[in-house]
Amino acid sequence: EPEVTQTPSHQVTQMGQEVILRCVPISNHLYFYWYRQILGQKVEFLVSFYNNEISEKSEIFDDQFSVERPDGSNFTLKIRSTKLEDSAMYFCASSVDQGEETQYFGPGTRLLVL
Amino acid sequence: AQKVTQAQTEISVVEKEDVTLDCVYETRDTTYYLFWYKQPPSGELVFLIRRNSFDEQNEISGRYSWNFQKSTSSFNFTITASQVVDSAVYFCALSEAAGGTSYGKLTFGQGTILTVHP
Repeated sequence: EPEVTQTPSHQVTQMGQEVILRCVPISNHLYFYWYRQILGQKVEFLVSFYNNEISEKSEIFDDQFSVERPDGSNFTLKIRSTKLEDSAMYFCASSVDQGEETQYFGPGTRLLVL
Repeated sequence: AQKVTQAQTEISVVEKEDVTLDCVYETRDTTYYLFWYKQPPSGELVFLIRRNSFDEQNEISGRYSWNFQKSTSSFNFTITASQVVDSAVYFCALSEAAGGTSYGKLTFGQGTILTVHP
């Protein structure tokens, strides 16, 4: 069964460093998403992406964040200058369509900023 | 704005007990979609069910059942004869249809931590 994959599973970085989180969505899916979950809290939407453009972004997704689909399979989230409060689990998801279609999530990348 | 409330922070049961997880939602849209996801201790988010706002028929899948009541804006999840492997955090989520203010993004509730003891 096709699944969303994410790398790395864990990443530790120093405050102020750039990190790139990688995702490979399900191959026939057209919509891609990033969510984050601070430890012990709910899952929060960051950004949605379709046709090489951001469809929607949340207030959390400020200028420090960017997303890219550099090739036909990868979908990346970049944090330019990490802060302590960026420490969280980051989930990538993909769906065939928006709204009514189910978003399938990857296993997540746990980011720790020291 | 849409909102999902899971009032039960933690539930603890003994194996074989039935347990119901509550979910109440708010949305201004007439067309929307409701989801339940399971997050086991390993951390991934596992899709369990999707329901659209026009389909109030209850659904049963093995030991799992879902009760959608539009009149009370609730989408509750029942596990029958719980097992230790059901221990996880369960999230209810809402997505709006095309034209909605939050089209395409999932709004999650706070989650309910379910612990099933042997």
